[in-house]
Amino acid sequence: DGGITQSPKYLFRKEGQNVTLSCEQNLNHDAMYWYRQDPGQGLRLIYYSQIVNDFQKGDIAEGYSVSREKKESFPLTVTSAQKNPTAFYLCASSSSAASGKDEQFFGPGTRLTVL
Amino acid sequence: DQQVKQNSPSLSVQEGRISILNCDYTNSMFDYFLWYKKYPAEGPTFLISISSIKDKNEDGRFTVFLNKSAKHLSLHIVPSQPGDSAVYFCAASERWNTDKLIFGTGTRLQVFP
Repeated sequence: DGGITQSPKYLFRKEGQNVTLSCEQNLNHDAMYWYRQDPGQGLRLIYYSQIVNDFQKGDIAEGYSVSREKKESFPLTVTSAQKNPTAFYLCASSSSAASGKDEQFFGPGTRLTVL
Repeated sequence: DQQVKQNSPSLSVQEGRISILNCDYTNSMFDYFLWYKKYPAEGPTFLISISSIKDKNEDGRFTVFLNKSAKHLSLHIVPSQPGDSAVYFCAASERWNTDKLIFGTGTRLQVFP
């Protein structure tokens, strides 16, 4: 089955700890994205990557870091510098970053709670 | 500044009737618009899209209308079914910045029997 997987579904961390969220896709998509959703708000773009070994900041990149060492993987690290990390995190991918007209496919999300 | 606005946080519709979800935008550079459907604790799934060169796009029970002069788009679901109950997000992107989708805040649709 082709798709995007995010693990774990629920994650709890203590304040001050870094945590890495996993995102894997087997759709052979070039572009991958990380979003954050907070209650009553739309999805906000954290980081995106159009190609392996390259990534760009989105609208709310502060306190986050990413890597794109493999086409199928785009992990997101929530660092201790992120002031309000508790949120629902969504990973997405799309097949053509250049044309941009292909819709983004989303993973099931990871709910991060920082205690 | 919210560039994509969904002013109705919720909508309740009887099964079989039409559901109309609205979305307004402020950025005149947006030229591609999408609707996503989201169930609780799941990722959004793509529903339908429309390019700014069109004013209507249809896919089964779902139709999206675009009014560029009013910077307004709407999603019509006819007939509405209980399985359509979800949160609907509209999203938009600029012609020269297509990697960045700007999402609205969502409208929760409830379809009751």
